[in-house]
Amino acid sequence: DSGVTQTPKHLITATGQRVTLRCSPRSGDLSVYWYQQSLDQGLQFLIQYYNGEERAKGNILERFSAQQFPDLHSELNLSSLELGDSALYFCASSVDQDGNTIYFGEGSWLTVV
Amino acid sequence: AQSVSQHNHHVILSEAASLELGCNYSYGGTVNLFWYVQYPGQHLQLLLKYFSGDPLVKGIKGFEAEFIKSKFSFNLRKPSVQWSDTAEYFCAVTSSGGSYIPTFGRGTSLIVHP
Repeated sequence: DSGVTQTPKHLITATGQRVTLRCSPRSGDLSVYWYQQSLDQGLQFLIQYYNGEERAKGNILERFSAQQFPDLHSELNLSSLELGDSALYFCASSVDQDGNTIYFGEGSWLTVV
Repeated sequence: AQSVSQHNHHVILSEAASLELGCNYSYGGTVNLFWYVQYPGQHLQLLLKYFSGDPLVKGIKGFEAEFIKSKFSFNLRKPSVQWSDTAEYFCAVTSSGGSYIPTFGRGTSLIVHP
């Protein structure tokens, strides 16, 4: 157990819908990272938050957004879902801003039908 | 921008065989290098990492990796694999140029037959 908690573990939804994925970082960690893992793209960095502020942005679509709340948990919002958004979404956390020591959650499987 | 290439996408071995997984990165400056493992149904976990010093690093479960700066490589090795090593293996890099956000390779699926 890494200490990073993600919910839900599995989610099936229809195209055009909106979902929210939730992540609770390890106790004491201030940074949260979101990654998308798909068969054709591998593990792609989406976005990082540090202590409530967006710190770095990767290949995140405009239909996707995220935020980190005062209690440091984070949510990834995916809207206008397409079949190609089906993937495993990982959250990771670290104590500080750099990703040299990060811990991953078990992921949220999203299937868009 | 930094990037990572893993050349072996699927590797199938028998128990006791030796393993070497290739990883090459592209970035002109100082890098930190990592290998992560993802066992079926589990989260990614760190196998080993290289920041500086001895280019041969040893990790958990008998794995080791060698950093060869001239070749921009960080290959993962294990002398004798076990069935329990069946997993997905990811090479990753961080650097100042990438804001120390880990960039991952596409992964190598290793299947070890008993």
